[in-house]
Amino acid sequence: QQQVKQSPQSLIVQKGGISIINCAYENTAFDYFPWYQQFPGKGPALLIAIRPDVSEKKEGRFTISFNKSAKQFSLHIMDSQPGDSATYFCAAENAGKSTFGDGTTLTVKP
Amino acid sequence: DVKVTQSSRYLVKRTGEKVFLECVQDMDHENMFWYRQDPGLGLRLIYFSYDVKMKEKGDIPEGYSVSREKKERFSLILESASTNQTSMYLCASSYRTGRYEQYFGPGTRLTVT
Repeated sequence: QQQVKQSPQSLIVQKGGISIINCAYENTAFDYFPWYQQFPGKGPALLIAIRPDVSEKKEGRFTISFNKSAKQFSLHIMDSQPGDSATYFCAAENAGKSTFGDGTTLTVKP
Repeated sequence: DVKVTQSSRYLVKRTGEKVFLECVQDMDHENMFWYRQDPGLGLRLIYFSYDVKMKEKGDIPEGYSVSREKKERFSLILESASTNQTSMYLCASSYRTGRYEQYFGPGTRLTVT
């Protein structure tokens, strides 16, 4: 039973384009929604996170949109760059424990 | 600079061997986690610990055990390694109260032959 569903599995975007990754969750007890970025050979690292009392959070080129009623949240990467090529994981946390999506491999072509 | 270190980057073991993976964090975090990462399956929680000598099973604890004798150190033990435990193992830590990011180590690529 997967509690956090992430799509797409892979994404190819041209440099300068917008990358969009979507996640949906089931457990309404989740109260923190981080996104992690992982480069090959490295562990995941926090990219941006949102709490459910906010509908949008923006940090530079990265924006999380959160729809509490639909139990969905998404990551938007504006002006995507080749350096953004990585695997992205959404997560949903409750009581200090996170459930992760399956990951999206993003490739930004120059 | 925060740091989570794992004892090995690459490990090759034979079926039936006992395997120890160690993780150390220097951030005084209460919570520590062990995940395994497999292509297309994301990060799956094996065990986590919210205090010294405390542990809770995650989603896939079968075939694994853990030990946390000191706050900064969390060990994952494979009592009798099997080929289906070939994977990338990631350790992470965070503050207890939640709504805080998890800090990950670089991972250990374990191959069981």
